[in-house]
Amino acid sequence: EPEVTQTPSHQVTQMGQEVILRCVPISNHLYFYWYRQILGQKVEFLVSFYNNEISEKSEIFDDQFSVERPDGSNFTLKIRSTKLEDSAMYFCASSEGTGYNEQFFGPGTRLTVL
Amino acid sequence: GNSVTQMEGPVTLSEEAFLTINCTYTATGYPSLFWYVQYPGEGLQLLLKATKADDKGSNKGFEATYRKETTSFHLEKGSVQVSDSAVYFCALRSRNSGNTPLVFGKGTRLSVIA
Repeated sequence: EPEVTQTPSHQVTQMGQEVILRCVPISNHLYFYWYRQILGQKVEFLVSFYNNEISEKSEIFDDQFSVERPDGSNFTLKIRSTKLEDSAMYFCASSEGTGYNEQFFGPGTRLTVL
Repeated sequence: GNSVTQMEGPVTLSEEAFLTINCTYTATGYPSLFWYVQYPGEGLQLLLKATKADDKGSNKGFEATYRKETTSFHLEKGSVQVSDSAVYFCALRSRNSGNTPLVFGKGTRLSVIA
C-alpha cells in the first residue's frame, strides 16, 4: 500500500543552524502539507502546497520557513535558522485532491533544537 | 476561528472495557469531522469521518456521531483491545474549497492493558 515517508526520523541540531526535513508523498497525489506538533500541544497546520506553489500558510510559517518540491518525488521543509521553540514533531501529508479527499500522513520527523 | 477540544489523557483501560474519548469543536459553517489514530512509530491514520450533522462514522469497531446541537464528535468503542493502544486525534476541516488544512485537537493517549 502506498505511503508517505519522511526522513530523518529524528534530527538534532544546534540553535541557528539550518535544517531540511524531507518527505516523499504518495506518487499520484497533487496536494502536500506540513504540520507540526510541539510536545504536549496540538497538531498545527504550517503550509499547503499545490502546483509548485504555496496554497495556504499559517502564521507560524514565517520567513524562516520555506518549502520546495525539488524533483518529482520529494517535498522538503527548510528552517533557515532554527530556534529552541522549533523543537517539535513535523508531519508531512499528501492528498489526491481538494475537499474531502483524505490526507495521508507520514510517520513524522522529531526535530530537537539545542 | 476553528478549534477542537478533546479530553486530556492518558486514558488507561482494561481489555474489553468501554471507551469514550470526548471531542467538541468550534467552527463557522458546517465542517467535516475526523478521528485520526497514531500507533507507536507510525504516522497519523484516518480512523473515521463524518461530513454532515447526524452522520455516524465507523471503522474497526469505533464509532462517532456528528452532533451539531452539542458541537461534539465523541469517539466510542464497546470493547477495546490491547492493539487499540495509540494516540487518538479529533480534527475538523471546514467546507471551504481548496486544500483546506485540518484543525486538530491535542490528542488523547489510550493504553489498554490485558
